[in-house]
Amino acid sequence: DAKTTQPPSMDCAEGRAANLPCNHSTISGNEYVYWYRQIHSQGPQYIIHGLKNNETNEMASLIITEDRKSSTLILPHATLRDTAVYYCTLVPSGNTGKLIFGQGTTLQVKP
Amino acid sequence: DAGVTQSPTHLIKTRGQQVTLRCSPKSGHDTVSWYQQALGQGPQFIFQYYEEEERQRGNFPDRFSGHQFPNYSSELNVNALLLGDSALYLCASLVTVRGADYNEQFFGPGTRLTVL
Repeated sequence: DAKTTQPPSMDCAEGRAANLPCNHSTISGNEYVYWYRQIHSQGPQYIIHGLKNNETNEMASLIITEDRKSSTLILPHATLRDTAVYYCTLVPSGNTGKLIFGQGTTLQVKP
Repeated sequence: DAGVTQSPTHLIKTRGQQVTLRCSPKSGHDTVSWYQQALGQGPQFIFQYYEEEERQRGNFPDRFSGHQFPNYSSELNVNALLLGDSALYLCASLVTVRGADYNEQFFGPGTRLTVL
């Protein structure tokens, strides 16, 4: 079973920041927080990951709380093409690839 | 550089039949994982192949089996198909680096299997 909890759906206005929360209160010390997204009819796409520090890349920023029990994925300027299902998952250090997905958050970006 | 490719894109089978799905990993990747995604659900891990052997397995019955070839491509076989096997089957590949903390997986577009 997934160890993460996400809201089933969220809306965001185009051009505004989209903030997607994820709760992972039972996270272990060696588990990374990974985010993937899945645009309709495509395979999931890696977005970003982090252990305890905030991370930023060209796609998004990841904010992890100090106690690591929750995190927020931030899309700074959402576009219509960011409409997708966003998955937050925990991956143990050294994991060779088994990902456990929950049901994710469906983000609808509206014009 | 081609990403992960899967074939066929769509497939229709009837109950009791057998099906084989194929996956070619991203260039340079040596590890292939398979996932099943039912409609409205997140992907569920089936198994993973590395060095032509099954390395990890999820909670799927023995009707689901696989194979990895020396060129790292992989097949997923499902026997005695059930209506509940209707789903999107995703293949993902990565490079296994022992001791590495970070293993980004690249997913293919999937094969949509419909069982009637």
